[in-house]
Amino acid sequence: DIQMAQSPSSLSASVGDRVSITCRASQDISNSLAWFQQKPGKAPKSLIYAASSLQSGVPSKFRGSGSGTDFTLTISSLQPEDFATYYCQQYNSYPLTFGGGTKVEIK
Amino acid sequence: EVQLVESGGGLVQPGGSLRLSCAASGFTVSGNYMSWVRQGPGKGLEWVSVIYSDGSKYYADSVKGRFTISRDNSKNTLYLQMSSLRVEDTAVYYCARDRPYTSGWYVGYWGQGTLVTVSS
Repeated sequence: DIQMAQSPSSLSASVGDRVSITCRASQDISNSLAWFQQKPGKAPKSLIYAASSLQSGVPSKFRGSGSGTDFTLTISSLQPEDFATYYCQQYNSYPLTFGGGTKVEIK
Repeated sequence: EVQLVESGGGLVQPGGSLRLSCAASGFTVSGNYMSWVRQGPGKGLEWVSVIYSDGSKYYADSVKGRFTISRDNSKNTLYLQMSSLRVEDTAVYYCARDRPYTSGWYVGYWGQGTLVTVSS
């Protein structure tokens, strides 16, 4: 199975800050990586696919990068609605696996 | 508009069975890759199973042999039959649909989830 190591597990930031979350795969997954946002009590929401492609309707403040084993989600100019938990997921091979999540909290 | 509505969750004793349903609208279940993803209380996301449009099925090792994914094309509904349930199967179960792109697909649409509690 491919393990996804996501870091940090949590971070505190202020409105207007830019933050980055990293995800490292235990083996090469090319660009088969997605990012999701989840708010408490809600279903996940898809943000990024193919490592760097923005799902339609998602604001351009969300940026994905990377390929192979190392990936990054960058969120610019944090707004109150961006405070949530973010997950990466590899879909290169089964079983599909998720990172442990990064909780972005208000400082 | 793509909509996914799960149902069938509830309280069940260890060793028991339960069937989850996911009613789809705005597309055909048979023409897409449909998945189940779960989330234990206070935990992260865990992929459970997928059924392809050609009927191929894949399962996480943690549920293989106990859970069965299926669909009813006439009802445009996805199912997850769960048996030999364990306390560790307690989770919110999400139904999800693929979102294809030029070189692959990813989980692009999610239902609201249904809670399964396994407890005596």
